[in-house]
Amino acid sequence: DAKTTQPPSMDCAEGRAANLPCNHSTISGNEYVYWYRQIHSQGPQYIIHGLKNNETNEMASLIITEDRKSSTLILPHATLRDTAVYYCIALPNYGGSQGNLIFGKGTKLSVKP
Amino acid sequence: EAGVAQSPRYKIIEKRQSVAFWCNPISGHATLYWYQQILGQGPKLLIQFQNNGVVDDSQLPKDRFSAERLKGVDSTLKIQPAKLEDSAVYLCASSASTGNTIYFGEGSWLTVV
Repeated sequence: DAKTTQPPSMDCAEGRAANLPCNHSTISGNEYVYWYRQIHSQGPQYIIHGLKNNETNEMASLIITEDRKSSTLILPHATLRDTAVYYCIALPNYGGSQGNLIFGKGTKLSVKP
Repeated sequence: EAGVAQSPRYKIIEKRQSVAFWCNPISGHATLYWYQQILGQGPKLLIQFQNNGVVDDSQLPKDRFSAERLKGVDSTLKIQPAKLEDSAVYLCASSASTGNTIYFGEGSWLTVV
């Protein structure tokens, strides 16, 4: 079973920031928080991941609470092309290519004009 | 950099027929995954290869599904005989041996009628 819980759906106005929450209260110390998204009819796309520090890349920012029990993915200026299902996944990282992604149901983000 | 390539993109077969899907991972990626995604659900791991060896095939229905990764590069997933409940998207993914970020292909859509 997935170790994370997410709201089933969210709406966001185009051009505004989209803040997607994820609860992972049972995450263990060696598990990273990964975010993927899946646009309709495409394979999942990697967005970002982090352990305990906040992370930012060209796609998004990831804010992880100090106790690591929850996190928020931020899309700073959402566009219609960001409409997708967003998955938050806890994944152990042993420094090698181990472990597989256990997907939950994710959050369906709808960006509206 | 070329992504994960899959073919065919779409396939319709009758139940009890056989089908094969092909995957070419990102160049240099040692780990290859096959996932099954049923409509409305998140992807579920079927099998994981590390080079040409199987790491995890615990969720693969071995009475009808088989997969191989000869020479540790390309992989083929076969279903024989197909059942109606095998209708799904079959996603191939790969990751480098020194990191855990997993990259997905576009998927192969199977409809069994």
